[in-house]
Amino acid sequence: TQLLEQSPQFLSIQEGENLTVYCNSSSVFSSLQWYRQEPGEGPVLLVTVVTGGEVKKLKRLTFQFGDARKDSSLHITAAQPGDTGLYLCAGVGSGGSNYKLTFGKGTLLTVNP
Amino acid sequence: GAGVSQSPSNKVTEKGKDVELRCDPISGHTALYWYRQSLGQGLEFLIYFQGNSAPDKSGLPSDRFSAERTGGSVSTLTIQRTQQEDSAVYLCASSLRVTYEQYFGPGTRLTVT
Repeated sequence: TQLLEQSPQFLSIQEGENLTVYCNSSSVFSSLQWYRQEPGEGPVLLVTVVTGGEVKKLKRLTFQFGDARKDSSLHITAAQPGDTGLYLCAGVGSGGSNYKLTFGKGTLLTVNP
Repeated sequence: GAGVSQSPSNKVTEKGKDVELRCDPISGHTALYWYRQSLGQGLEFLIYFQGNSAPDKSGLPSDRFSAERTGGSVSTLTIQRTQQEDSAVYLCASSLRVTYEQYFGPGTRLTVT
């Protein structure tokens, strides 16, 4: 069974601070996705990283995929209250399981004004 | 345009009762997925449909759980003889094709008393 470990589980910071969330797996996934979920809503896809060593930027968010394609990180610069939410990483299966997403348990981020 | 919709948004039921959860995917999306999100377990894959067929039911927790999809559109997840451990948020997602980006609905919060 492929598992994804996310850390930290909870993160409470002040507006303007930087933060990093980690997602680690003992297995290789074909690609890795990051989602953000707000209360009462479903997860929304932020980014998909495919290539080992890949770095993608989305405004103040920077996503990295490890060289071995088993770990990833999400870095937020100058966090804002609007960044508050549950951040989930999900591994995309390979081969015949390329439809299946395996999710980490998430990082609940609170950005205080 | 309309996103994925789910009904009801909240459902409270007594232990032992059957419940039906409904998902209306985005029009034209051929693939449909069910997930369960619970405290401590995160987001777990239950089943997916390609058209009206369910090639992978491996995530269904027990034979009390079943799902169907009709007309390549609406899907229903049925839980028979509900147990307290079935309490969770049940999320539905759809994608244009299998392996394409999944769009999630807001979920149905099920509480079994």
